[in-house]
Amino acid sequence: TQLLEQSPQFLSIQEGENLTVYCNSSSVFSSLQWYRQEPGEGPVLLVTVVTGGEVKKLKRLTFQFGDARKDSSLHITAAQPGDTGLYLCAGGGPGGATNKLIFGTGTLLAVQP
Amino acid sequence: GAGVSQSPSNKVTEKGKDVELRCDPISGHTALYWYRQRLGQGLEFLIYFQGNSAPDKSGLPSDRFSAERTGESVSTLTIQRTQQEDSAVYLCASSQTPRFGEQYFGPGTRLTVT
Repeated sequence: TQLLEQSPQFLSIQEGENLTVYCNSSSVFSSLQWYRQEPGEGPVLLVTVVTGGEVKKLKRLTFQFGDARKDSSLHITAAQPGDTGLYLCAGGGPGGATNKLIFGTGTLLAVQP
Repeated sequence: GAGVSQSPSNKVTEKGKDVELRCDPISGHTALYWYRQRLGQGLEFLIYFQGNSAPDKSGLPSDRFSAERTGESVSTLTIQRTQQEDSAVYLCASSQTPRFGEQYFGPGTRLTVT
C-alpha cells in the first residue's frame, strides 16, 4: 500500500514565524500536489510539481519536489492567521496509475495572531 | 462558473438505514472521484469514474458501498445498512482529463450514523 506520511501532524505557531511541512513516501510519484483545506470545505489545490528537484514559489509559500520524486516539502515564510488550515500533499501516478491521487496524512496548522 | 456541489451538506441517520449522497461535478469534467475523510485526517480514495464507467473501485470499503454516474454528470454514492464507522465527511472531486491531478473538490457531505 502506498503511503504518504506528513510531518508534523500538528503545528501551532505565532504570526510571523516560518515553518516547514514534510511529505515522505517510499513510492515514486509522477507528480506531487499540495492542497489546503479549511473547516467545512473541500481541499483547494495550491500547487502541482512534476519534475524531480523542482521548486515552485507562491507568494510566501515555497514548494519543493525531491530529486527522486518520493518526497516534498512546503515552506511558509512569515506565517499569517489566514494560513491556518489542514495542509495535504497528494502523490499522482503511483505505479503508473495516472488517474489516481494518494493523499497524505495531513498537517493541521494553526497560526496565532 | 459553478464549482463542484454536493448534497446534502449534513446527514444524520440511524444505524442500519441506507443513505444516498449526491455530487454535481463541474460541467465538462469527465473524471469524478469520491473520497472519505475522517476527522482531521487525510483523504481515503473510494472510487473513480471516467465518463459513466468506474475503472477503479478499489477503495470501496465493503459491498455496502456503491456508486453510479449518469449522463457523464451527476454521481450518487450509496451506503447500505450504515454502520457507525461510516461516519465521516464524504468528498467528491472532478477533473478534466487527460490533465491529470488537478482535482476540484466539493464542500463534502458530513455523515453521522447514530
